[in-house]
Amino acid sequence: KQEVTQIPAALSVPEGENLVLNCSFTDSAIYNLQWFRQDPGKGLTSLLLIQSSQREQTSGRLNASLDKSSGRSTLYIAASQPGDSATYLCAVLSGYSTLTFGKGTMLLVSP
Amino acid sequence: DGGITQSPKYLFRKEGQNVTLSCEQNLNHDAMYWYRQDPGQGLRLIYYSQIVNDFQKGDIAEGYSVSREKKESFPLTVTSAQKNPTAFYLCASSSKWGGNTEAFFGQGTRLTVV
Repeated sequence: KQEVTQIPAALSVPEGENLVLNCSFTDSAIYNLQWFRQDPGKGLTSLLLIQSSQREQTSGRLNASLDKSSGRSTLYIAASQPGDSATYLCAVLSGYSTLTFGKGTMLLVSP
Repeated sequence: DGGITQSPKYLFRKEGQNVTLSCEQNLNHDAMYWYRQDPGQGLRLIYYSQIVNDFQKGDIAEGYSVSREKKESFPLTVTSAQKNPTAFYLCASSSKWGGNTEAFFGQGTRLTVV
């Protein structure tokens, strides 16, 4: 059974810092990996999707990498801003074509 | 605007009542999903539907029921058999079942037992 772990569970940084969020998964037979953002009391917003054949994807200040063989992905956020404060969720699509989620990293960027 | 609409945003249920959460999508997606989110836990899959008139149980289906009579709609009923229904419920869809697809989510319904 696929398991997804996200480290750290919470992170607090001052504005302007670059930061890395980590995601690991136990079964490397995945179709893709998605990073989502969730604001308090809201739904999930898709940030980046990396297909199993890709190594990384970029969108603005966000860069996600994927090392399928080692079961790891990282989300890099450059020049963090207070508006980046949210919970970031990692999910892998594998097996019976359903998403398995990590518990998320709660990020707080202080001005 | 294309997307997934969940309603209501907040829902209160009395003990012993059944309640139905609505999920509608205009993305022309075949596959739809219901997840439950509890504090400190990841999202857990309740039910999913690969195509119209088909649905399958997820990891925590007990106490829930669904229907998929139309492509754009996938309502979730929380029955009185669900002993701990207070949670945040999220509906999602993807273009097709199987293979490399991207999932899109609605804004969620918060259900509280009173």
